[in-house]
Amino acid sequence: DQQVKQNSPSLSVQEGRISILNCDYTNSMFDYFLWYKKYPAEGPTFLISISSIKDKNEDGRFTVFLNKSAKHLSLHIVPSQPGDSAVYFCAASAGTASKLTFGTGTRLQVTL
Amino acid sequence: GAVVSQHPSWVICKSGTSVKIECRSLDFQATTMFWYRQFPKQSLMLMATSNEGSKATYEQGVEKDKFLINHASLTLSTLTVTSAHPEDSSFYICSASSSTDTQYFGPGTRLTVL
Repeated sequence: DQQVKQNSPSLSVQEGRISILNCDYTNSMFDYFLWYKKYPAEGPTFLISISSIKDKNEDGRFTVFLNKSAKHLSLHIVPSQPGDSAVYFCAASAGTASKLTFGTGTRLQVTL
Repeated sequence: GAVVSQHPSWVICKSGTSVKIECRSLDFQATTMFWYRQFPKQSLMLMATSNEGSKATYEQGVEKDKFLINHASLTLSTLTVTSAHPEDSSFYICSASSSTDTQYFGPGTRLTVL
């Protein structure tokens, strides 16, 4: 039972354009959501998070949007840069410092 | 800040031997550490959660006698894969969390069992 889903396994975006990565979840107990970036053979790097009391959080080029009624979140990267090319995982947890449930990841390729 | 290290980064061992992987939080005290494994092209799967000074909580389907976890201090947790077999070959990643919600991940350890 995949509680966190990333339905797009890959995404290709031109440099300078906006990248939108999507994530859906099914567990209504989740109240904290995170996005991680991962390169092959490396651990995930934390990018940005959002609590369920918010619907938007912004940090530089990265913005995460949360739609609780739709159980959907998205990560916007603008402008996209070649260095953003990586696999992006969304993750969710229920409660403070709780275990994370990860999505299956979306491979982003930013082309020149 | 929030740096987590793992050692070794890559290990090859013979079937039947045991392998220990260390996870350290370098610049913060981790009240909770998590161990994940990732198979190629798959998501990270949580194996266990450990709190300093107490026994680890294992996820369903994870053998606690095979994957021994020790969280001896607020900066160190170890995962020992006992009597390793080729099917244990995987990428093992730890994460650490303090009182905040964010988990910070180590760089991972690639285990290959021959």
